[in-house]
Amino acid sequence: QVQLQESGPGLVKPSETLSLTCTVSGGSISSYYWSWIRQPPGKGLEWIGYIYYSGSTNYNPSLKSRVTISVDTSKNQFSLKLSSVTAADTAVYYCARGITMPDWGQGTLVTVSS
Amino acid sequence: DIQMTQSPSSLSASVGDRVTITCRASQGISNYLAWFQQKPGKAPKSLIYAASSLQSGVPSKFSGSGSGTDFTLTISSLQPEDFATYYCQQYNSYPYSFGQGTKLEIK
Repeated sequence: QVQLQESGPGLVKPSETLSLTCTVSGGSISSYYWSWIRQPPGKGLEWIGYIYYSGSTNYNPSLKSRVTISVDTSKNQFSLKLSSVTAADTAVYYCARGITMPDWGQGTLVTVSS
Repeated sequence: DIQMTQSPSSLSASVGDRVTITCRASQGISNYLAWFQQKPGKAPKSLIYAASSLQSGVPSKFSGSGSGTDFTLTISSLQPEDFATYYCQQYNSYPYSFGQGTKLEIK
């Protein structure tokens, strides 16, 4: 079974860029789609977007102007960048495999605060 | 965008009960519907995809049905570990979207 692990800063200042990496183990990233989802504290889930291993992407229009998802097949990793963050971007960020998302990372809390 | 509406938002039930959670899409999504279970402080766990297909390793006490706009998740013979929040998600159209969640609590 594929395992996923998110990593990155837990605190980001307003107006700066949030950067997270998801490391995939137990399988190759060179297949499947790879997704990012977030969950503000005490709230529901929001789909951020996905990337195919070839590099094609699809983003949630509500974030599209600020989000970039990229993949590094040599490191078996994919990444999320979210620019111009505000307190509303404070959330647990999850990475997941595929479109039906059978496998998830444990999640990482990112707080936006000065 | 497609809106996903779950009902009820919360549900109290007893161990051994059978419960059904409903998810309605604001427009037809064929069978591109998934269900997830989330426990406090944990990542969501995939239960069902394609409206009725069980993910590998998920017990058969969980079942899903529906097509088009109306879907259900049924959990039979509730056990203490089943008390959690359940989410539906459509992946028919971008942006993919989740329901608001149904919190299943012990009565």
